[in-house]
Amino acid sequence: AQTVTQSQPEMSVQEAETVTLSCTYDTSENNYYLFWYKQPPSRQMILVIRQEAYKQQNATENRFSVNFQKAAKSFSLKISDSQLGDTAMYFCASWGHSGGGADGLTFGKGTHLIIQP
Amino acid sequence: ETGVTQSPTHLIKTRGQQVTLRCSSQSGHNTVSWYQQALGQGPQFIFQYYREEENGRGNFPPRFSGLQFPNYSSELNVNALELDDSALYLCASSLRLAENNEQFFGPGTRLTVL
Repeated sequence: AQTVTQSQPEMSVQEAETVTLSCTYDTSENNYYLFWYKQPPSRQMILVIRQEAYKQQNATENRFSVNFQKAAKSFSLKISDSQLGDTAMYFCASWGHSGGGADGLTFGKGTHLIIQP
Repeated sequence: ETGVTQSPTHLIKTRGQQVTLRCSSQSGHNTVSWYQQALGQGPQFIFQYYREEENGRGNFPPRFSGLQFPNYSSELNVNALELDDSALYLCASSLRLAENNEQFFGPGTRLTVL
């Protein structure tokens, strides 16, 4: 079984600032993937970034990067130069590969990020 | 490339009724997963369909059932609706056995049970 915990229900920062969203997880899988999804008010869940657990290098996608600490089971998301369009719910999720793809993603409860002008 | 679509957008039902939600997967994808997202919560995995068969299930009772069709589209059926079934239902498609199981989500169906 996998669990994902997001301890920040809501965060608010000024435009252009850097913000870090926290996520911890627990899994018995040896091979797993971690994801950050963004859900704007339009409701459509959009993949922001993903990390393969066997890769030590932290994933980066433009202004988005992660800090993956495997031993601590921590997977935080850093957003640099935040923009008004970054305002959304952000969900951390995990997926274990041993299920052969038959298991779904396990999501945290989400962090509501508000970017203030 | 066509994205994941869901219908209807919104739905209102009463307790005890039955409901069917529909999902068309992204072109090229052969697997569909369904999630329930209660208000203020993260999505919870209901089940996954591959090759027209249920291929994995979360902690949901049997009154949640589904179908997948030869064109990979899918339906989620919920019988004997309860008030707690009120939620956003998300469909996600993916390519089976893709290493990272990247899932592409639809916009969801908002179900309200009165």
